This record gives sequence, C-alpha cells and structure tokens, in this order.
Amino acid sequence: GENVEQHPSTLSVQEGDSAVIKCTYSDSASNYFPWYKQELGKRPQLIIDIRSNVGEKKDQRIAVTLNKTAKHFSLHITETQPEDSAVYFCAVLTQGGSEKLVFGKGTKLTVNP
Amino acid sequence: EADIYQTPRYLVIGTGKKITLECSQTMGHDKMYWYQQDPGMELHLIHYSYGVNSTEKGDLSSESTVSRIRTEHFPLTLESARPSHTSQYLCASRERASYGYTFGSGTRLTVV
Repeated sequence: GENVEQHPSTLSVQEGDSAVIKCTYSDSASNYFPWYKQELGKRPQLIIDIRSNVGEKKDQRIAVTLNKTAKHFSLHITETQPEDSAVYFCAVLTQGGSEKLVFGKGTKLTVNP
Repeated sequence: EADIYQTPRYLVIGTGKKITLECSQTMGHDKMYWYQQDPGMELHLIHYSYGVNSTEKGDLSSESTVSRIRTEHFPLTLESARPSHTSQYLCASRERASYGYTFGSGTRLTVV
C-alpha cells in the first residue's frame, strides 16, 4: 500500500520567517496531494492541494510544490504568523480499487512572536 | 449550514460498555470515512464507505463496526469498550467528483 513519510515532526520558526514541510510517497500512480491544517482542539481543514498535472500551486502565503519523478511534495509558508501555529498533515490519494487518503504523521509548527 | 456533525464531542465511559459514535453530513456526499487520531497526532483510517450499504475496513485494525443505511449517516459502534479504545475519532466525507475531505469536529473518547 501507499507509504507517506513527512518531515520534520516538529518545526519552530520566528514570526516572519518561512517554513517548509516535506513529504515523500511510494506509489508513482498517485495523482492528488492535499495539505491539512489542524489547530489545537479543532478539526483538520484542507488548506491547499495539488494534482499531478502541475508542479506548483500558490494561495497567498502558502504554496505547494510537487516533484513526481522524485515522488515528493512540499508545503511552503512564507511570512509566518503566530496563527499559523498548528499541526500540518500531508496526504496522498491512493489509486486502484479503493480511493482513500493516506496521511503523513504530521508536523507541529510553532511560530514564535 | 451544510457540514458534517459528530456527537458526542466528548465521552467518558466504563470498560465493557457498548457505545455508538454518531456522524451525519448534510452535503449529500457519497463517500464517508472514520479516522482514529492518537495522542501523537497520526491519523489512521479504520472504516470507509462509498455509499449506502457499502462499508470497508481501513488500514488500521479496529474492533469497531460501522453501518451505512442512509447516505447522510455513518455511525461507528464499539460493542465492548476497553481502555485501549481511548482516542479521538474523526469522521470525514467527500463528494464523488471531488477529492477534498471535510472533517467533523471529532469525538474524544475516554474508556476508564
């Protein structure tokens, strides 16, 4: 089955700095890669996603890049703010008979004021 | 408002009790999922459904069962709760033509 590795598990940055979280996956047929943000005590929420036919997607301060050849994708957050502090999960949609999201183990991002 | 709702939000029960965690969505989504989230944050798929009368076990072995008699409703049942079942349970759904999941707010279960 699909295996998703996410790094780092924790990340601490100063307000205004950039943060980068990386994920690798194993199934080259996978074609959908979302990122979820989960604030303390709240539900995971989709913040950005990318499909395999593009290499990069941006939405204001967040961006995702995809390298299908290397089977890795990354989340980039620029000009970080304290409200960006949360746990971030990458995910990969499995292919074949059962379409379901396989999640990375999560990255706890702390933005220090 | 169209959303996905989970009840109860918090539950503390004794060992051996039978419990049902409720999940309902008002978005008309075909596909629904149950994830178990451990204290270390990781999300494990325990059950999923592609529509009415369709249920499948997920990647993580679970002693729970699910049913899907109506499109909007996907309850999860534990016949005999144990302390090892203590966790947060998240329900999610998505529409057929979209890949993005919408998550419920979760049920935090504690078995004592």
